[in-house]
Amino acid sequence: GAVVSQHPSWVICKSGTSVKIECRSLDFQATTMFWYRQFPKQSLMLMATSNEGSKATYEQGVEKDKFLINHASLTLSTLTVTSAHPEDSSFYICSARAQGTGELFFGEGSRLTVL
Amino acid sequence: DAKTTQPPSMDCAEGRAANLPCNHSTISGNEYVYWYRQIHSQGPQYIIHGLKNNETNEMASLIITEDRKSSTLILPHATLRDTAVYYCIVSGGGADGLTFGKGTHLIIQP
Repeated sequence: GAVVSQHPSWVICKSGTSVKIECRSLDFQATTMFWYRQFPKQSLMLMATSNEGSKATYEQGVEKDKFLINHASLTLSTLTVTSAHPEDSSFYICSARAQGTGELFFGEGSRLTVL
Repeated sequence: DAKTTQPPSMDCAEGRAANLPCNHSTISGNEYVYWYRQIHSQGPQYIIHGLKNNETNEMASLIITEDRKSSTLILPHATLRDTAVYYCIVSGGGADGLTFGKGTHLIIQP
Protein backbone atom coordinates (compact mmCIF):
# COMPACT_ATOMS: atom_id res chain seq x y z
CA GLY A 1 0.00 0.00 0.00
CA ALA A 2 0.92 3.63 -0.26
CA VAL A 3 3.42 4.88 2.28
CA VAL A 4 3.85 8.24 3.91
CA SER A 5 7.15 8.67 5.68
CA GLN A 6 7.95 11.19 8.38
CA HIS A 7 11.40 12.17 9.51
CA PRO A 8 12.58 12.35 12.16
CA SER A 9 10.37 9.94 14.08
CA TRP A 10 11.44 11.60 17.29
CA VAL A 11 13.48 14.66 18.17
CA ILE A 12 14.60 16.37 21.35
CA CYS A 13 15.64 19.99 21.21
CA LYS A 14 16.43 22.90 23.48
CA SER A 15 13.97 25.67 24.10
CA GLY A 16 14.35 28.48 21.56
CA THR A 17 15.64 26.35 18.72
CA SER A 18 13.80 25.48 15.51
CA VAL A 19 12.94 21.98 14.39
CA LYS A 20 12.02 20.78 10.92
CA ILE A 21 9.86 17.73 10.32
CA GLU A 22 9.58 16.20 6.85
CA CYS A 23 6.62 14.37 5.38
CA ARG A 24 7.15 12.41 2.18
CA SER A 25 4.79 10.40 0.03
CA LEU A 26 7.00 7.56 -1.13
CA ASP A 27 5.09 5.99 -4.01
CA PHE A 28 2.46 8.52 -5.00
CA GLN A 29 2.06 12.21 -5.66
CA ALA A 30 0.15 14.26 -3.13
CA THR A 31 -1.40 17.55 -4.11
CA THR A 32 -2.57 18.11 -0.55
CA MET A 33 -0.93 17.28 2.74
CA PHE A 34 -2.30 17.86 6.21
CA TRP A 35 -0.49 18.43 9.48
CA TYR A 36 -1.95 17.33 12.81
CA ARG A 37 -0.83 17.70 16.39
CA GLN A 38 -1.70 15.29 19.17
CA PHE A 39 -1.11 15.90 22.87
CA PRO A 40 -1.02 12.96 25.33
CA LYS A 41 -4.36 11.23 25.81
CA GLN A 42 -6.02 13.56 23.31
CA SER A 43 -7.22 13.21 19.75
CA LEU A 44 -5.54 14.49 16.62
CA MET A 45 -6.08 18.19 15.96
CA LEU A 46 -5.74 19.51 12.43
CA MET A 47 -3.20 22.32 12.31
CA ALA A 48 -2.98 23.21 8.65
CA THR A 49 -3.64 22.15 5.09
CA SER A 50 -0.76 22.32 2.68
CA ASN A 51 -1.18 22.49 -1.09
CA GLU A 52 1.74 22.03 -3.44
CA GLY A 53 3.07 25.33 -4.68
CA SER A 54 0.84 27.55 -2.58
CA LYS A 55 0.62 28.90 0.94
CA ALA A 56 -0.72 26.66 3.66
CA THR A 57 -4.11 27.24 5.21
CA TYR A 58 -3.99 27.25 9.00
CA GLU A 59 -6.76 26.26 11.40
CA GLN A 60 -8.01 28.83 13.87
CA GLY A 61 -5.66 29.30 16.77
CA VAL A 62 -2.58 27.92 15.00
CA GLU A 63 0.17 30.51 14.61
CA LYS A 64 1.40 30.52 11.02
CA ASP A 65 4.63 32.30 11.93
CA LYS A 66 5.45 29.68 14.52
CA PHE A 67 4.56 26.62 12.48
CA LEU A 68 6.05 27.19 9.04
CA ILE A 69 4.81 24.83 6.37
CA ASN A 70 6.42 24.37 2.98
CA HIS A 71 5.03 22.10 0.26
CA ALA A 72 7.56 22.57 -2.50
CA SER A 73 6.92 19.37 -4.42
CA LEU A 74 4.21 16.78 -4.94
CA THR A 75 5.98 14.36 -2.61
CA LEU A 76 7.35 16.54 0.19
CA SER A 77 5.92 18.86 2.81
CA THR A 78 7.85 20.22 5.76
CA LEU A 79 6.73 21.61 9.09
CA THR A 80 9.16 23.85 10.94
CA VAL A 81 8.46 24.62 14.58
CA THR A 82 10.24 27.91 15.13
CA SER A 83 11.58 29.02 18.51
CA ALA A 84 10.22 25.88 20.11
CA HIS A 85 9.11 25.92 23.73
CA PRO A 86 8.19 23.08 26.08
CA GLU A 87 4.48 23.59 25.38
CA ASP A 88 5.18 22.71 21.73
CA SER A 89 6.16 19.20 22.80
CA SER A 90 3.71 16.96 21.03
CA PHE A 91 3.19 14.20 18.49
CA TYR A 92 3.05 15.69 14.99
CA ILE A 93 1.39 13.64 12.27
CA CYS A 94 1.07 14.32 8.57
CA SER A 95 -1.30 12.87 6.04
CA ALA A 96 -1.22 13.01 2.27
CA ARG A 97 -4.05 12.88 -0.23
CA ALA A 98 -3.13 10.95 -3.34
CA GLN A 99 -3.46 12.77 -6.63
CA GLY A 100 -6.11 11.10 -8.76
CA THR A 101 -7.65 8.61 -6.33
CA GLY A 102 -8.03 11.10 -3.49
CA GLU A 103 -7.16 8.42 -0.94
CA LEU A 104 -5.73 9.69 2.32
CA PHE A 105 -2.66 8.14 3.93
CA PHE A 106 -1.07 8.94 7.27
CA GLY A 107 2.53 9.06 8.35
CA GLU A 108 3.84 7.34 11.46
CA GLY A 109 4.19 10.59 13.35
CA SER A 110 7.08 12.59 14.79
CA ARG A 111 7.42 13.06 18.52
CA LEU A 112 8.90 16.41 19.51
CA THR A 113 10.21 17.01 23.01
CA VAL A 114 11.37 20.52 23.86
CA LEU A 115 13.51 20.82 26.96
CA ASP B 1 -18.25 17.51 8.40
CA ALA B 2 -20.91 15.88 10.55
CA LYS B 3 -20.11 15.14 14.18
CA THR B 4 -19.81 11.59 15.48
CA THR B 5 -20.42 10.12 18.94
CA GLN B 6 -18.57 7.04 20.17
CA PRO B 7 -18.29 5.37 23.58
CA PRO B 8 -15.00 6.36 25.21
CA SER B 9 -13.91 2.80 25.90
CA MET B 10 -14.85 -0.82 25.37
CA ASP B 11 -13.48 -4.20 26.39
CA CYS B 12 -13.60 -7.35 24.32
CA ALA B 13 -12.29 -10.84 24.93
CA GLU B 14 -9.60 -12.13 22.62
CA GLY B 15 -11.05 -14.26 19.83
CA ARG B 16 -14.50 -12.75 20.10
CA ALA B 17 -16.05 -10.25 17.72
CA ALA B 18 -15.58 -6.61 18.69
CA ASN B 19 -18.51 -4.39 17.75
CA LEU B 20 -17.80 -0.68 17.90
CA PRO B 21 -20.79 1.66 17.56
CA CYS B 22 -20.85 5.16 16.16
CA ASN B 23 -23.65 7.68 15.97
CA HIS B 24 -23.68 10.26 13.18
CA SER B 25 -27.23 11.53 13.16
CA THR B 26 -26.41 14.72 11.23
CA ILE B 27 -24.67 12.98 8.34
CA SER B 28 -25.51 14.42 4.95
CA GLY B 29 -26.20 12.53 1.76
CA ASN B 30 -22.75 12.87 0.22
CA GLU B 31 -20.75 12.09 3.34
CA TYR B 32 -18.92 8.83 3.82
CA VAL B 33 -18.30 7.02 7.10
CA TYR B 34 -14.60 6.31 7.66
CA TRP B 35 -12.98 4.22 10.36
CA TYR B 36 -9.36 4.60 11.41
CA ARG B 37 -7.48 3.23 14.37
CA GLN B 38 -4.44 4.44 16.20
CA ILE B 39 -2.16 2.16 18.11
CA HIS B 40 -0.20 3.91 20.81
CA SER B 41 2.44 6.33 19.48
CA GLN B 42 1.75 5.51 15.84
CA GLY B 43 -0.05 7.30 13.03
CA PRO B 44 -3.68 6.49 12.26
CA GLN B 45 -4.30 3.38 10.20
CA TYR B 46 -7.14 3.22 7.68
CA ILE B 47 -9.60 0.39 8.32
CA ILE B 48 -12.64 0.77 6.10
CA HIS B 49 -15.15 3.25 4.75
CA GLY B 50 -18.64 3.23 3.30
CA LEU B 51 -21.47 5.39 2.02
CA LYS B 52 -24.71 3.42 2.21
CA ASN B 53 -24.03 -0.26 1.76
CA ASN B 54 -22.35 -2.54 4.23
CA GLU B 55 -18.69 -3.08 3.47
CA THR B 56 -16.20 -5.81 4.28
CA ASN B 57 -12.48 -6.12 3.80
CA GLU B 58 -9.68 -8.20 5.24
CA MET B 59 -9.62 -6.18 8.45
CA ALA B 60 -13.24 -5.53 9.33
CA SER B 61 -16.87 -5.15 8.38
CA LEU B 62 -18.84 -1.92 8.40
CA ILE B 63 -22.56 -2.01 8.98
CA ILE B 64 -24.43 1.23 8.21
CA THR B 65 -28.06 1.58 9.23
CA GLU B 66 -30.60 2.26 6.54
CA ASP B 67 -31.14 5.84 7.71
CA ARG B 68 -27.32 6.25 7.86
CA LYS B 69 -27.53 7.82 11.28
CA SER B 70 -25.34 5.20 12.89
CA SER B 71 -22.86 2.52 12.02
CA THR B 72 -20.98 -0.36 13.61
CA LEU B 73 -17.45 -1.50 12.95
CA ILE B 74 -16.99 -5.21 13.45
CA LEU B 75 -13.64 -6.87 14.05
CA PRO B 76 -14.66 -10.51 13.61
CA HIS B 77 -11.95 -12.21 15.68
CA ALA B 78 -10.24 -9.70 17.91
CA THR B 79 -6.60 -10.22 18.87
CA LEU B 80 -4.45 -8.45 21.42
CA ARG B 81 -2.91 -6.42 18.61
CA ASP B 82 -6.32 -4.87 17.93
CA THR B 83 -6.06 -2.88 21.15
CA ALA B 84 -6.14 0.72 19.92
CA VAL B 85 -8.21 3.88 19.75
CA TYR B 86 -10.80 3.57 16.99
CA TYR B 87 -12.05 6.70 15.28
CA CYS B 88 -15.30 6.98 13.38
CA ILE B 89 -15.19 9.96 11.01
CA VAL B 90 -17.79 11.36 8.67
CA SER B 91 -16.51 13.28 5.69
CA GLY B 92 -17.48 14.33 2.21
CA GLY B 93 -14.02 13.31 1.06
CA GLY B 94 -13.26 16.59 -0.61
CA ALA B 95 -10.18 18.70 -0.24
CA ASP B 96 -10.50 19.02 3.53
CA GLY B 97 -8.61 16.98 6.09
CA LEU B 98 -10.39 14.55 8.38
CA THR B 99 -11.71 15.78 11.70
CA PHE B 100 -10.97 13.35 14.50
CA GLY B 101 -13.20 13.02 17.56
CA LYS B 102 -12.18 11.34 20.78
CA GLY B 103 -12.70 7.82 19.48
CA THR B 104 -13.23 4.57 21.36
CA HIS B 105 -10.37 2.98 23.25
CA LEU B 106 -10.83 -0.72 22.54
CA ILE B 107 -9.03 -3.02 24.94
CA ILE B 108 -8.75 -6.66 24.00
CA GLN B 109 -8.51 -8.84 27.08
CA PRO B 110 -6.56 -12.14 26.97
